[in-house]
Formats: sequence, structure tokens, C-alpha cells
Amino acid sequence: EVHLVESGGGLVQPGGSLRLSCAASGFTFSSYWMHWVRQAPGKGLVWVSRINGDGSSTSYADSVKDRFTISRDNAKNTLYLQMNSLRAEDTAVYYCARDWVSDYWGRGTLVTVSS
Amino acid sequence: QIVLTQSPSASASLGASVKLTCTLDSGHSNYGIAWHQQQPEKGPRFLMKVNSGGSHTKGDGVPDRFSGSSSGAERYLIISSLQSDDEADYYCQTWGTGMFFGGGTKLTVL
Repeated sequence: EVHLVESGGGLVQPGGSLRLSCAASGFTFSSYWMHWVRQAPGKGLVWVSRINGDGSSTSYADSVKDRFTISRDNAKNTLYLQMNSLRAEDTAVYYCARDWVSDYWGRGTLVTVSS
Repeated sequence: QIVLTQSPSASASLGASVKLTCTLDSGHSNYGIAWHQQQPEKGPRFLMKVNSGGSHTKGDGVPDRFSGSSSGAERYLIISSLQSDDEADYYCQTWGTGMFFGGGTKLTVL
């Protein structure tokens, strides 16, 4: 059974950093593109970033470019999102999702950026 | 940039059927989409992929009451025999250089 479990969220001050993790199980992790999607309180889903199976290709939404870095460790079946220079508008639940159709989602981890 | 348009809200009675619509912008009218359900206070759940020809591929465990179809730039999610726990937000999504979501439709089951 496929499982995606996010962790690493929390309260951080503006300008601070956090690293999110997404632990994957139940499938051949290295065979799939992976994505981060976020949802601000009371708002819709917004794509953040994606990475291909071997980690050689990444892409970002304009709103996070140059501040966030997606990466993966296929030996550990884990996806990461390094978030730097955090802003209040980055406050959201962050989900990892598998593949371009997002056929599996994690339960999310809440990131709150506030002083 | 791909724009997906959904009505903000829909409602239907318990036991009835409802058809939710997702409209692709004119430059991407032949794209396939995915439908996702998000129940209150939960993460999204993949329901199905719908291609431009109208065929759909459902996710694991998605009931037969859920189906998909297409017409032109419109992609549909049809839910029959509505149940109370179908009350949720429904998002359509497609992909290009990135991933693009519609604004979501809040379905109320009366």
C-alpha cells in the first residue's frame, strides 16, 4: 500500500528556514516524479515544486523560486523541501504528491510563518 | 500557465446525482485532467484521471458512484447516489511545465 508521510512543519519567524520531509513507502520511489503542493488556510491547492525520479530535474512556482529547494534521497525513499527566507504568505499546509496526476497524497504538514 | 475554471459551489440532495464541471482554457482544451476530493479537515484524495476523449481511470478504492466524462474543453465529475460524506471540496488539476489547479467546487449534500 502506498503511503506518503510529511513532517518538519512548525512555527517559524519571517526570514527563517524549515526543511520538510516526505517519507514514501509501498512503491518504487525512484520511478516517480514527486511534487510539493500547498494550501493556505481556507484557500485552494497551489503547486509549489516538482522533481523527477533521479533528482536531475526540478521546477518551481514563481512565488518560491530562489527561496525553496526540492530534493530527494532515493536510498531513503524520502522527498525534501528546503524553505528559506520564509514569508507570512508561505503559511500553509504542505502536501507531497506522487506523479503528475497526484494519484497519492500525504496528510500534510502545517507551516506557520509568524513573529 | 494553464487556467482551469470551476464553479465555487454546487448542491444536490441525498441520493441524487450531481455533475461538476472543470473548463480548460482555450489553448489547452485537449488536455487531460485529474479530479481530487478533499473532505473537511483532510488531505486531498485522488479520484480519477479524465482524458479529452472522455475515458477515465479511477484511483484505488474509488466507488463506482464516481465517474468522469469530457466534452470539448469541459471535463466532468459525475457523482451518483449522493451520500453525506460526499460533501467536500472537489478540485480539478492538470499539468504542463508545472501543475495547475482549478479553484475548487464546494459540494453541499442537502
